[in-house]
Amino acid sequence: SQTIHQWPATLVQPVGSPLSLECTVEGTSNPNLYWYRQAAGRGLQLLFYSVGIGQISSEVPQNLSASRPQDRQFILSSKKLLLSDSGFYLCAWKKQETQYFGPGTRLLVL
Amino acid sequence: KQEVTQIPAALSVPEGENLVLNCSFTDSAIYNLQWFRQDPGKGLTSLLLIQSSQREQTSGRLNASLDKSSGRSTLYIAASQPGDSATYLCAVRQIEGGSEKLVFGKGTKLTVNP
Repeated sequence: SQTIHQWPATLVQPVGSPLSLECTVEGTSNPNLYWYRQAAGRGLQLLFYSVGIGQISSEVPQNLSASRPQDRQFILSSKKLLLSDSGFYLCAWKKQETQYFGPGTRLLVL
Repeated sequence: KQEVTQIPAALSVPEGENLVLNCSFTDSAIYNLQWFRQDPGKGLTSLLLIQSSQREQTSGRLNASLDKSSGRSTLYIAASQPGDSATYLCAVRQIEGGSEKLVFGKGTKLTVNP
């Protein structure tokens, strides 16, 4: 069966520090992968999606970036975090028509 | 630009009650619609997916309907239980210019009281 992992589960970072969140998928190959952010009082916002290695599409211009160095690995990064980057970050993959989500990473920027 | 609205934002019901959650969307050109459940501090769990050509889908005590022309979907929960307490999110999938995306509503927070 397929599973999706995210780490870390929780992260507290100072403003201006770098960020790296990792997502890996097991049990499938060549999945479509997605990064979402869920901020307090707001719906899920699609940040990036990838249809293959090295192929990244950005939905929202901001100080975040994404990379897909391997087929089942999706990384969300920032060089300098802002207070507004705080939120719950969810990685997801798509099988046929259904989207499946990871457990999420809660990021607090202070 | 697609907008998805869920009403009510929060709902509290006694155990055993049947209930309906509502979802509306502004652009009827959707590929499908998906209902999710989210427990506090957790990721999303897919409940039901309805293709644009379908009218409804059922899974256990859950029934989701879709009226694409009017831009509406409902999630019906029969005989609610305390374990159903969670936030329920609907999302529509659109395909634009060869790329696809899910657009989410803000969710309905359901509390089922024992």
